[in-house]
Amino acid sequence: GAVVSQHPSWVICKSGTSVKIECRSLDFQATTMFWYRQFPKQSLMLMATSNEGSKATYEQGVEKDKFLINHASLTLSTLTVTSAHPEDSSFYICSAPTSFLYNEQFFGPGTRLTVL
Amino acid sequence: DAKTTQPPSMDCAEGRAANLPCNHSTISGNEYVYWYRQIHSQGPQYIIHGLKNNETNEMASLIITEDRKSSTLILPHATLRDTAVYYCIVRVGGYSTLTFGKGTMLLVSP
Repeated sequence: GAVVSQHPSWVICKSGTSVKIECRSLDFQATTMFWYRQFPKQSLMLMATSNEGSKATYEQGVEKDKFLINHASLTLSTLTVTSAHPEDSSFYICSAPTSFLYNEQFFGPGTRLTVL
Repeated sequence: DAKTTQPPSMDCAEGRAANLPCNHSTISGNEYVYWYRQIHSQGPQYIIHGLKNNETNEMASLIITEDRKSSTLILPHATLRDTAVYYCIVRVGGYSTLTFGKGTMLLVSP
């Protein structure tokens, strides 16, 4: 199956700093990627849809100025958590649908963010 | 997208078949049934999907009732590595988003 990678796999940062998470489609091109957030013992919640060459679409309640998304190429989307606070600590997961495998979305392994 | 209902947890003995049910009584004619699973601290993994016919792949089988109001995911010979949260999702095909519910926590024991 198609492969989606994320980097870093985990990160610990101080409150007030910014953290960038990368999501890459390794063997296919993804004009669209999705960013999810998952708090402990909860399900995945869609944060935003990343579109190559255009602005991201954010879900209701997600601050676009806090969670900056850039989809500069067909294989890379980045999520930057700006001025991170402890409440932003979560598991961040990206996914990408493929064009050659109809209807399937492939997920990255996730990034564990801990803000101290 | 139609809402789904799944039991919060299930147990299965290793080597036995695991049958995970899902109710989706408000499913529309153009909505597919998808199954994903998430092993602890990993990203979700696609398992299988179907519209109205039963489907089988190397991972599992999907049985959809004739009225399409419910379905069952079958893992024919569960292993310890199948311990995960299993999500049943109903959605229109194409590049639409996935809405994750609470899923079923399947625990496979020796």
